[in-house]
Order: sequence, then C-alpha cells, then structure tokens
Amino acid sequence: DTAVSQTPKYLVTQMGNDKSIKCEQNLGHDTMYWYKQDSKKFLKIMFSYNNKELIINETVPNRFSPKSPDKAHLNLHINSLELGDSAVYFCASSHRNSPLHFGNGTRLTVT
Amino acid sequence: GEDVEQSLFLSVREGDSSVINCTYTDSSSTYLYWYKQEPGAGLQLLTYIFSNMDMKQDQRLTVLLNKKDKHLSLRIADTQTGDSAIYFCAESTPYSSASKIIFGSGTRLSIRP
Repeated sequence: DTAVSQTPKYLVTQMGNDKSIKCEQNLGHDTMYWYKQDSKKFLKIMFSYNNKELIINETVPNRFSPKSPDKAHLNLHINSLELGDSAVYFCASSHRNSPLHFGNGTRLTVT
Repeated sequence: GEDVEQSLFLSVREGDSSVINCTYTDSSSTYLYWYKQEPGAGLQLLTYIFSNMDMKQDQRLTVLLNKKDKHLSLRIADTQTGDSAIYFCAESTPYSSASKIIFGSGTRLSIRP
C-alpha cells in the first residue's frame, strides 16, 4: 500500500523522558512535515523538510529535533517531555504543489 | 502573515445542504484544500481548488472560491450521517523550495435526524 505510516500509534510516557516518533512515506514525495494537533483540534505546523533539507521550523522548543535520514523518512525526537507536549502528532508528505497526504497520527500522552 | 479562519460548529438536518465557510489572508496562496477528520482518525483530503479557479464540483461536493474577498466555501449536498466530522480548510503558499500549508481551526459538522 502506498501511504504515509508513522509509529507508534499511541505513546504514553512520564515527564522528563525522551521519546521518538518515526515516519515513512513510500509515495515518492520530496517534502515531509510534522504537525501538532492539540486537544481543541487546532493543527499547527512544526517542521518541514524538502529533500532532507530543513525548510520550515516554526516556533517550536528546541527539545523537539526532527531528523531526515533520507527523502522517505522524517523522524521526530522529543527530549525532556513536558505535560504540554501531550497532543496528536501527524506526519505528512507532499510533492511540489500536490496536497498533503497524512499519516494516521501518534497520540502522545505525558503523565 | 498567514491566517485561516473558519467557524467552529455547524449543525444541519439530514438531507439538507451543509455550507462550511473559510477566510484566509495570504494573497499568494496557490492551492486551497478541504480536509475531513473523523473521530480518532487522520486527515483525509476531500477536495482542493487551484487559486485561479472559482468553482469546482465533485459529486456531492462544491467548492467556491472568491479570490478578491479571500473566501472559500465547501457545500455538501444531501448531507448524510456519515458526513459528521471536523472539516479543515487549508491554504498552500510557496515557501522556499516547497509549500507551506496552514490550516484553519476546523468546523465540527453535526447532523440532526
């Protein structure tokens, strides 16, 4: 199946821990994104990579570090997790001006 | 800067038409999108329109774009219970070597019997 897949689907962890979310797309797209959706369902762009190069870095704490080993992967590492990091994180990809294709989301709960 | 606004809630009777409105601020938008999110699910692309078009129809969905007023609408004809979801408007603007896509707050559509 051609898709954007992200793992894990659910992540429950304690404050202060470090965690990673992985994302892979097999659509041949050249741009990948991370979005954060809060409890009010607002979707905010965090990062975007084009051909492994960081092009969008919104006002996100530097505890969040994206890594793109190749065009098909964009992982998100979060250090020193805080309660306010609890949200659903969506990975997405696109090619040039094509619409975004989203993964199914990772629900992160920080206790 | 970029901003996309839409009302938070809409309630319609089953079988009626639903019209969800959206306004945006960036005149350099190239594409405008409508996404649907069902509970606990990801975002599904419903339809999109290029900024030099003013209307697009796809089965029960009609998108109208007024570029002068920066106003976008999505009409769903013969609304069914399966249409209950959150609908997000989004604008795409050129950014460096790619595009930046900004979403509205989402409109929660509920269907009355």
